[in-house]
Order: sequence, then C-alpha cells, then structure tokens
Amino acid sequence: QVQLVESGGGLVKPGGSLRLSCVASGFTFSDYYMSWIRQAPGKGLEWFSYISNRNTIYYTDSVKGRFTISRDNAKNSLYLQMDSLRAEDTAVYYCAREVSGWAFGYWGQGTLVTVSS
Amino acid sequence: EIVMTQSPATLSVSPGERATLSCRASQSVSSNLAWYQQKPGQAPRLLIYGASTRAPDIPARFSGSGSGTEFTLTISSLQSEDSAVYYCQQYNNWPPLTFGGGTKVEIK
Repeated sequence: QVQLVESGGGLVKPGGSLRLSCVASGFTFSDYYMSWIRQAPGKGLEWFSYISNRNTIYYTDSVKGRFTISRDNAKNSLYLQMDSLRAEDTAVYYCAREVSGWAFGYWGQGTLVTVSS
Repeated sequence: EIVMTQSPATLSVSPGERATLSCRASQSVSSNLAWYQQKPGQAPRLLIYGASTRAPDIPARFSGSGSGTEFTLTISSLQSEDSAVYYCQQYNNWPPLTFGGGTKVEIK
C-alpha cells in the first residue's frame, strides 16, 4: 500500500535552516507530482509547493526564495530545504500525493517544525 | 487566488442526525472540489473528490454535492467517530491550490 513517511522536523532558531525528507513506498514514485502542505498550530491547511515528475517546481509567495523542493527518484524521496526560517513557519509539514486531479489521497504522518529562539 | 469560505465554523449535531457543511468559492471551481476529514493529531483523510465522488473505503453516509461556487458535504447519520474538522479544497484554478478554513463537527 502507499506510504509516505516524513522526517527531519525539530526546533530551530529564527534565521536557521532545516531539511525535511519524505520517503515514499507502494507506488512508482517517479510517475507522480508531489506536494508539501503545512498546518500551523490550531490553524488550517496551507499548500505551498509542488514538484512534478519532470521537476517542474512551484512555490507560493509565503516561502518563495527561502524554501527549496527537490526529489530523488532513485531513492523514492522528496525533500524540502528550508532556509531563513521565521516564527510563522512553525507548523506540521506534510508531504502528499494526489489521486485524482489535485485531490490529495495520500498524506504522510507529518513532521513538526518549531521556529523559536 | 481563489478563496474558499466554509460555514459554519462549528457544528454541533446529535448522533444519528444529519450534518450539513457548506463551502463557497470566490469564483467558479467547476466540480474540482475535495473534502477532507482531520482528527486531532492525524493527517487529513480524503473523503470526496470531484465534488461528489467518494474516495475508496469512505462510508456511504458521507456525500458531496454542488458545482461552480457552492458546495455541500452531508453526513447523513452522524456517528461518534465523525467528530473532526472538515476542510474543502479547490483544484480548478491553480496555483495555488487553496483550502477552506474548516468546519469543526462536534457530537452533541
């Protein structure tokens, strides 16, 4: 079955960096677009980045210039390099895969990123 | 950017009763609308896509309707395990993909 497992979250100071990973299994990873979605504590869901199966990339303005999405199809892995972190980046970060159009049928368990001094 | 607005913010329903959740888009999203259920400490779970198609293994008491700018998620006979926050998401005009702010369903 499809599984997505994130790792790499933690506590980081403002201005610091962190790299998240998402390891996929149960499907042909190289065939699919992958996304990152985050959820600040007690708040709603925010989609902010995707990478296509051909490495087309998109970021929303909230992370553009600070976050970098990438993938390694040989390792069935998705990454998110987060630099210049701010307090407002504090959130649970999910990797997700669509199942129909851009409805997300598969989600990881999430990894918490806390930006605080 | 399409803004998704959900109402009400909180819905309190007795077990066995019907729950009706609304989602409005700031412009037409055709039928490119999904609904998710999220319980505390868990990732969201896809319930409905294409506005009205149930995802695999989703109970038949969950149904979606609507098109254009007005959408509804109905839980026909609320069960205790349905207590959760429900989000809608449009995927018609993107990027960006956008979610509504959520409706919390409580068991009365």
